[in-house]
Amino acid sequence: GAVVSQHPSRVICKSGTSVKIECRSLDFQATTMFWYRQFPKQSLMLMATSNEGSKATYEQGVEKDKFLINHASLTLSTLTVTSAHPEDSSFYICSAAGAEYQETQYFGPGTRLLVL
Amino acid sequence: AQKVTQAQTEISVVEKEDVTLDCVYETRDTTYYLFWYKQPPSGELVFLIRRNSFDEQNEISGRYSWNFQKSTSSFNFTITASQVVDSAVYFCALALYNFNKFYFGSGTKLNVKP
Repeated sequence: GAVVSQHPSRVICKSGTSVKIECRSLDFQATTMFWYRQFPKQSLMLMATSNEGSKATYEQGVEKDKFLINHASLTLSTLTVTSAHPEDSSFYICSAAGAEYQETQYFGPGTRLLVL
Repeated sequence: AQKVTQAQTEISVVEKEDVTLDCVYETRDTTYYLFWYKQPPSGELVFLIRRNSFDEQNEISGRYSWNFQKSTSSFNFTITASQVVDSAVYFCALALYNFNKFYFGSGTKLNVKP
């Protein structure tokens, strides 16, 4: 149990385009989903926390208009990187927590974004 | 404020050696949770263990063992008889009682050589 998927696993896009990344909890209802960013050889940086049906809570320094997060259902959250630029290239990881798997976050496999 | 420190940036061992990964945390809360995750080269974080602040009992799972000591605010992870497949980055993390945020350490890269 506690499987989280992400799609796509890799994406290459041109500068100025928008990219949507999906995060799904496959076998449990995720009341809370988290989005992280990880630079090479660095730790995970929490970008935002989203609860189903509510607006996401962004960490300090993360641009809300740049990284749009939607948590429309208990199994799906999306992160849209708007007008992507090369500096947005990174590894984006989502995680999910739910009533069934309390006190633990389960992570998706991550999405590698490369903006040319 | 909460903080997790993994002082070892990178460790290299030869297969079958034992290795301990250190984790020191800071929090003023009395209720909290500690975690270890493994991140292999593929990138996916794999959950290894969760411990709450009221349970200081050490745990062993196969070749893995964890030593939780509140007196020194440490939650160390030992791999016995390491294998090449153990090569990965290992993260220690802290979450508070409300569980709305994880605080990750900087990670320790473990290289196990054949």
